[in-house]
Amino acid sequence: DARVTQTPRHKVTEMGQEVTMRCQPILGHNTVFWYRQTMMQGLELLAYFRNRAPLDDSGMPKDRFSAEMPDATLATLKIQPSEPRDSAVYFCASALGQGAYSGTDTQYFGPGTRLTVL
Amino acid sequence: DAKTTQPNSMESNEEEPVHLPCNHSTISGTDYIHWYRQLPSQGPEYVIHGLTSNVNNRMASLAIAEDRKSSTLILHRATLRDAAVYYCILRDTGGGADGLTFGKGTHLIIQP
Repeated sequence: DARVTQTPRHKVTEMGQEVTMRCQPILGHNTVFWYRQTMMQGLELLAYFRNRAPLDDSGMPKDRFSAEMPDATLATLKIQPSEPRDSAVYFCASALGQGAYSGTDTQYFGPGTRLTVL
Repeated sequence: DAKTTQPNSMESNEEEPVHLPCNHSTISGTDYIHWYRQLPSQGPEYVIHGLTSNVNNRMASLAIAEDRKSSTLILHRATLRDAAVYYCILRDTGGGADGLTFGKGTHLIIQP
């Protein structure tokens, strides 16, 4: 049963430290998304990639967040320096994107990384 | 993506059908209606999607109004495992953004 995996599942860090979250998309999926979930804002899209190229990162604070796909099997989301307001659950999702016909593709979500910044 | 409106919460009894409504009065002709749900402490999962006709799959049914301004997700026989937040999301096939725009969803409570 193919699944999106995320590591670590939980991370507690202190303000100012660098945090790296990793995601392994479902093999063969060409689109990877990063979402963040907080009680106040709900689920928000941060960024996404298609065929490893960044397509949209408008939801991400540019000064401290960065997202990359070093290869087709790994996506990373880094926060440097981290702040208490970054505390949230970060979800990765993957999909087999169909370009302009994106209205029908299904996104598969990982279990999330729960980040706490003290 | 066009906006959707859902009740904040609903309650149902186990083994009874559940009808979860969604209003989307500004839907465009190219918008698909998607439903995702999020079980406690898990990531969202896909439930079903449709465009104009009613749809059935192993998880649920989707009933779409003739004018497409509303839809209803139907769980035919709810179990305790169906307790989750259910999100109704419109997705544009006309080259819109690929990311999902989540609202607050409906918190479904299942009573044993």
